[in-house]
Amino acid sequence: DAEITQSPRHKITETGRQVTLACHQTWNHNNMFWYRQDLGHGLRLIHYSYGVQDTNKGEVSDGYSVSRSNTEDLPLTLESAASSQTSVYFCASSGERDQETQYFGPGTRLLVL
Amino acid sequence: QKEVEQDPGPLSVPEGAIVSLNCTYSNSAFQYFMWYRQYSRKGPELLMYTYSSGNKEDGRFTAQVDKSSKYISLFIRDSQPSDSATYLCAMSATDTGRRALTFGSGTRLQVQP
Repeated sequence: DAEITQSPRHKITETGRQVTLACHQTWNHNNMFWYRQDLGHGLRLIHYSYGVQDTNKGEVSDGYSVSRSNTEDLPLTLESAASSQTSVYFCASSGERDQETQYFGPGTRLLVL
Repeated sequence: QKEVEQDPGPLSVPEGAIVSLNCTYSNSAFQYFMWYRQYSRKGPELLMYTYSSGNKEDGRFTAQVDKSSKYISLFIRDSQPSDSATYLCAMSATDTGRRALTFGSGTRLQVQP
């Protein structure tokens, strides 16, 4: 069965370190998204991609970057982790036929000390 | 002011009750309206999807959209303890390629057996 996976599921890091969160989908979807979820804010869009080599900034992109070298993966990099980036991160993907239906991964809990 | 407002709850109801969940929004460009359900420590999953105004029914769930009032609702009939989750409304606009979603902050629902 097609799926979307995230790794690691839990991560503890220190302020200033570079961190990369992985997202891999086997739906063959063109559209991929990264969100962060914080209490009181719901899901906020960080970056998104509509295809290979395409990346776009979302609502809260400062301090984050993504790259899309193939259809299946969209890694999210925190260039220099800050305590404000402690959050739960969700990756999602959607296909061309039903673009509003986003399929979410299980999430990565990141703690920046 | 957030583009999408949603009461965070928690909303506690007895089993069998009718539940009403609501969101208001400010962006008149939103055309696609969704409800996602998120169980604790899981990724959101699509529950209902509606285009423009009107009602849509799926089993015990009914989604309503009133674009003139910028107000959407999700009704759950004969609520069950298994419905206990956080419900997030989400929307997208045609002028952004439809695919990027704006989420409400989520309402936590508890159905008491």
